[in-house]
Amino acid sequence: AQSVTQLGSHVSVSEGALVLLRCNYSSSVPPYLFWYVQYPNQGLQLLLKYTSAATLVKGINGFEAEFKKSETSFHLTKPSAHMSDAAEYFCAVSGYFGNEKLTFGTGTRLTIIP
Amino acid sequence: DAGITQSPRYKITETGRQVTLMCHQTWSHSYMFWYRQDLGHGLRLIYYSAAADITDKGEVPDGYVVSRSKTENFPLTLESATRSQTSVYFCASSAGTGGGTGELFFGEGSRLTVL
Repeated sequence: AQSVTQLGSHVSVSEGALVLLRCNYSSSVPPYLFWYVQYPNQGLQLLLKYTSAATLVKGINGFEAEFKKSETSFHLTKPSAHMSDAAEYFCAVSGYFGNEKLTFGTGTRLTIIP
Repeated sequence: DAGITQSPRYKITETGRQVTLMCHQTWSHSYMFWYRQDLGHGLRLIYYSAAADITDKGEVPDGYVVSRSKTENFPLTLESATRSQTSVYFCASSAGTGGGTGELFFGEGSRLTVL
């Protein structure tokens, strides 16, 4: 079985500060890992994904994530937070032969302090 | 318009009633999914479909029924709604081929309240 754990249900950062959202995974097969973002009253949209190519993955809106097998982690970062980054962020995992199913974490709500 | 649409966006019903949530996608994606979103649980998979006439259970299928007679439609039915089914329901689709790397495209959600 595959799962992801997101550490911190709420994270607050000041505008211009580093954003760090934590995700650890558990998988019995090489995982594929995703970060999705959800803005208020909307569906989720893909930020970035790791599919066993480069371990440092760049996504939209200046976000990036690094796959660290030794730490079973896939943390999401952005060097400088913007007010428009306020949203809920979900880490998710799938695996080869997983039929495209994603298992999501419980989400982290990011608040940006002006 | 192209995309994935859900209806209704908001629904209030009573315990014991049957409710159907509709999902329609215009991309001809093979895979379609139903998730429910609840505070503290994130998104949990209810059912998914790899192609027309192929459906399978997800993590929380009890109390739900799905069908997929056409590639573009994937309705979710609550046969006898319960208060525990009060939630926001998201439909999603993917052009993936089963290898697990496909991007999911989500609808805007259907907010269901069961009184």
